Amino acid sequence: DADVTQTPRNRITKTGKRIMLECSQTKGHDRMYWYRQDPGLGLRLIYYSFDVKDINKGEISDGYSVSRQAQAKFSLSLESAIPNQTALYFCATSDWRGGTQETQYFGPGTRLLVL
Amino acid sequence: KQEVTQIPAALSVPEGENLVLNCSFTDSAIYNLQWFRQDPGKGLTSLLLIQSSQREQTSGRLNASLDKSSGRSTLYIAASQPGDSATYHCAVSNSNYQLIWGAGTKLIIKP
Repeated sequence: DADVTQTPRNRITKTGKRIMLECSQTKGHDRMYWYRQDPGLGLRLIYYSFDVKDINKGEISDGYSVSRQAQAKFSLSLESAIPNQTALYFCATSDWRGGTQETQYFGPGTRLLVL
Repeated sequence: KQEVTQIPAALSVPEGENLVLNCSFTDSAIYNLQWFRQDPGKGLTSLLLIQSSQREQTSGRLNASLDKSSGRSTLYIAASQPGDSATYHCAVSNSNYQLIWGAGTKLIIKP
């Protein structure tokens, strides 16, 4: 089984709808991240969480919210979807133990289309 | 503000050739630099991580170098294979949590 899973894998929704993207991990990592990927651009950080009680905004948090329900679960919500939120969304985890060797482990992504 | 650039955006080479992918960044105060691979329909997978104090890292046919002073990194792939076809991303870390990403280089290895 995959260490980082995302549901759904694909989603089509309409402008104004509220949707939730879910992420679960079995790696036991404390840190979790949500990114979006747009054609021709690098990944951009939406939100990140260092533990269940520590949630922080990333570079592009406007229009998004998150919930860290447990160490293993981190959900991303679009309160009122708009077409420019059409993108590929990735969840990632990491296990920082100090120093500079942290890397991130990614889920397979959720492709979202907002009509 | 840190910016990461990858050139070229796409590259197509015959199987068996050695190749180099380039990454440049504007702020040399980095914790580390990482190279990731992205296959269609899949997430990103870490290939190599170079700490700021290191000059290079190797894994199999892959070798990544880092020149902090000039803000450059290269990913060298030896004896390329069709299975190497993917998009390769460079990311730098300016802190203990945040990665700044390039837009990626889409690599096609022709059999």
